[in-house]
Amino acid sequence: QKEVEQNSGPLSVPEGAIASLNCTYSDRGSQSFFWYRQYSGKSPELIMFIYSNGDKEDGRFTAQLNKASQYVSLLIRDSQPSDSATYLCAVEDDKIIFGKGTRLHILP
Amino acid sequence: DTGVSQNPRHKITKRGQNVTFRCDPISEHNRLYWYRQTLGQGPEFLTYFQNEAQLEKSRLLSDRFSAERPKGSFSTLEIQRTEQGDSAMYLCASSEQGPSPLHFGNGTRLTVT
Repeated sequence: QKEVEQNSGPLSVPEGAIASLNCTYSDRGSQSFFWYRQYSGKSPELIMFIYSNGDKEDGRFTAQLNKASQYVSLLIRDSQPSDSATYLCAVEDDKIIFGKGTRLHILP
Repeated sequence: DTGVSQNPRHKITKRGQNVTFRCDPISEHNRLYWYRQTLGQGPEFLTYFQNEAQLEKSRLLSDRFSAERPKGSFSTLEIQRTEQGDSAMYLCASSEQGPSPLHFGNGTRLTVT
């Protein structure tokens, strides 16, 4: 059974600080990796995707991928109260499967 | 591009009844996924299609669940003889073929009483 693991949190981070979210996956053959944000009562929305080892930056967000360690992370710089949400890690080999999500709370 | 559309938004049904949900994906998207999500959990994979072909169905999924995607366009998810444990948000998402992110609909919230 392929698995995606995330710490459920909540992760509390002061406003303006860096939030670091982590994800590990079991299937070494996984090729594509995604981070989604989900506000309460809403559907997931894509934040970033990454396919290659290393870092990928988009505005305040940086995704990091280490395939050897089967590890994906998301950094959020200059955290804002509007970043408070659940962050879902998703991994694709043949199909896309999700972790349980990490609840992030930005403290004003 | 009107996005992924799901109907109905909410469905309340009595235990033992059958329900059917519809999903209209983004028109040029080949892949269509169904997920189920309960409070505090991530989306749980149910099944997915590439065009009209159903590529995989979760082994955890009861035989009461069936999905179709005739002609590779819209998809339906049917749950027969509903149980209270089926109460959840049912999410549909579509994507282009190949490494490509999912675009989600607003979901159908099912309540089984």
